[in-house]
Amino acid sequence: DTGVSQNPRHKITKRGQNVTFRCDPISEHNRLYWYRQTLGQGPEFLTYFQNEAQLEKSRLLSDRFSAERPKGSFSTLEIQRTEQGDSAMYLCASSFPSGGEETQYFGPGTRLLVL
Amino acid sequence: DQQVKQNSPSLSVQEGRISILNCDYTNSMFDYFLWYKKYPAEGPTFLISISSIKDKNEDGRFTVFLNKSAKHLSLHIVPSQPGDSAVYFCAASSNFGNEKLTFGTGTRLTIIP
Repeated sequence: DTGVSQNPRHKITKRGQNVTFRCDPISEHNRLYWYRQTLGQGPEFLTYFQNEAQLEKSRLLSDRFSAERPKGSFSTLEIQRTEQGDSAMYLCASSFPSGGEETQYFGPGTRLLVL
Repeated sequence: DQQVKQNSPSLSVQEGRISILNCDYTNSMFDYFLWYKKYPAEGPTFLISISSIKDKNEDGRFTVFLNKSAKHLSLHIVPSQPGDSAVYFCAASSNFGNEKLTFGTGTRLTIIP
């Protein structure tokens, strides 16, 4: 399977705990994006990387959120001291800018439930 | 501030007929538009895209039309099939997609057999 993969697919945690999600992009895609989707809404941008550099962060990404892409391949998104409002689907997408139009391809998502 | 709007939360269409999903945007900097299809508990699947230099793009049963002056785009599915039942998201980007995507709230399409 050469698509974007995300792990875990589901995570249930108690408020105050830390959680970490992983995203493996499509091979050779050097751009990686994180989005969050809540019920009844479209995905909302959180942050993105070009190779290992984090180029943009949304205001949605509070200090409790941190994302890394240490070797320009997979990425992790960590949420510290989770709150019930963090319950959402976390989506990862990757793309390969070819100098023309760029299309992002999404993974299956990680659904987080904070109790 | 909702920069991408899908004003119809749901749409029901008879199998074999045409499905038309609509999307409006407000940001004049958007120059690349995409449609994604999403099943429950899965990530969005890319369907079709169009850049602002075109007004129509076709791929099999799917056609996207862009009206830049009205800041409006639509997705036509002909003929509609039961497997098309899903939530459809319109997304927009600037710099021909080399930026983050801004999504609408989605339209749930139900194809009636």
